[in-house]
Amino acid sequence: KAGVTQTPRYLIKTRGQQVTLSCSPISGHRSVSWYQQTPGQGLQFLFEYFSETQRNKGNFPGRFSGRQFSNSRSEMNVSTLELGDSALYLCASSWSTVVETQYFGPGTRLLVL
Amino acid sequence: ELKVEQNPLFLSMQEGKNYTIYCNYSTTSDRLYWYRQDPGKSLESLFVLLSNGAVKQEGRLMASLDTKARLSTLHITAAVHDLSATYFCAVDRGAQKLVFGQGTRLTINP
Repeated sequence: KAGVTQTPRYLIKTRGQQVTLSCSPISGHRSVSWYQQTPGQGLQFLFEYFSETQRNKGNFPGRFSGRQFSNSRSEMNVSTLELGDSALYLCASSWSTVVETQYFGPGTRLLVL
Repeated sequence: ELKVEQNPLFLSMQEGKNYTIYCNYSTTSDRLYWYRQDPGKSLESLFVLLSNGAVKQEGRLMASLDTKARLSTLHITAAVHDLSATYFCAVDRGAQKLVFGQGTRLTINP
């Protein structure tokens, strides 16, 4: 069974631009969560989607947004990029709302110049 | 606000030795996860602990959970170089929202 895939894997942008990251969950998984990982702040929860609905959101500004499609694929968007948005963005999927392991994708490494 | 603290944050040890990583969290939760991350890689699930007193073992790693003490431990037995990585514990805040500890960077020297 294929794992969680994320595209692109690496991205370089400049301040003020916007970026869209994509995540395809494991087949059959309906929950997709996004996390930001930086050396300073560690791993922080961004948001979680289940059946195309955002169920939970972390403490990030409104520049960070996301959505989930009917096939459970998810995208996250960051508008008006800032230098501090440089990070590894990880997507994780799981079956449903039931407590279980989240499976993480390889991540998208974003560098903002 | 839930806080998850790991210690130590850095650990250098010799092959063959035993050691324990501690994970403390500040509010009640019955669900705790351990992940491993290799440099430049994503997170790999190691253990899911779902109840007080839960103990799980895989190879040289054993994890336990004491919900009353709000403490989880990851014990490494007879360490080998391949276990060098950063280990994270995470507590579930509901709706698949995980709050992670800072991570413990483990280096195992021959």
